Amino acid sequence: GAVVSQHPSWVICKSGTSVKIECRSLDFQATTMFWYRQFPKQSLMLMATSNEGSKATYEQGVEKDKFLINHASLTLSTLTVTSAHPEDSSFYICSAILPGGTSNQPQHFGDGTRLSIL
Amino acid sequence: AQKITQTQPGMFVQEKEAVTLDCTYDTSDQSYGLFWYKQPSSGEMIFLIYQGSYDEQNATEGRYSLNFQKARKSANLVISASQLGDSAMYFCAMREGSNTGNQFYFGTGTSLTVIP
Repeated sequence: GAVVSQHPSWVICKSGTSVKIECRSLDFQATTMFWYRQFPKQSLMLMATSNEGSKATYEQGVEKDKFLINHASLTLSTLTVTSAHPEDSSFYICSAILPGGTSNQPQHFGDGTRLSIL
Repeated sequence: AQKITQTQPGMFVQEKEAVTLDCTYDTSDQSYGLFWYKQPSSGEMIFLIYQGSYDEQNATEGRYSLNFQKARKSANLVISASQLGDSAMYFCAMREGSNTGNQFYFGTGTSLTVIP
């Protein structure tokens, strides 16, 4: 149980295009999802907390207009990298927690998306 | 101050031997959870083991065990009988009970290499 699906796994696109990444909870409803960015050989950096039906909460230093997050349903959150540039190339990974979770609930992660901007 | 500290950037272990990956944490909460994740080169984050702040017993899950020393604020992961497939990055994480946003704090990770 508690499976999170992330799509696509790989994206290669030209500079200036927008890229949408989807994160789905397959067998549970996730009121809260998280989006992380990870550079090679580094830890996960929390970008934003995505809450169903409300605006995402962005971490300090993350451009809201650059990284658009939409959590329109209890099973889907999307991250759109707008007007992507080479410096946006990175590994993006989402996670979700079971609803009503207490501090003993792990975050369940998608498999991540490797984004390469040419 | 860092919430989670992993002081070992890289570790090597002989196959079939045990290895301990260090993790210390910093919190003033009484209620918190500690987690270990494995990240292979393919990138997915695999949940390994959980330890609650009120748990009196050390958590165990198969070959994984957590050496929880509350007074020292440490939550080291012990992998017994290492296998080649254990080669990966390992991240320690904490969730504080007072954090209504449910965010996790992650350490910088330890890269484990199992040598045949």
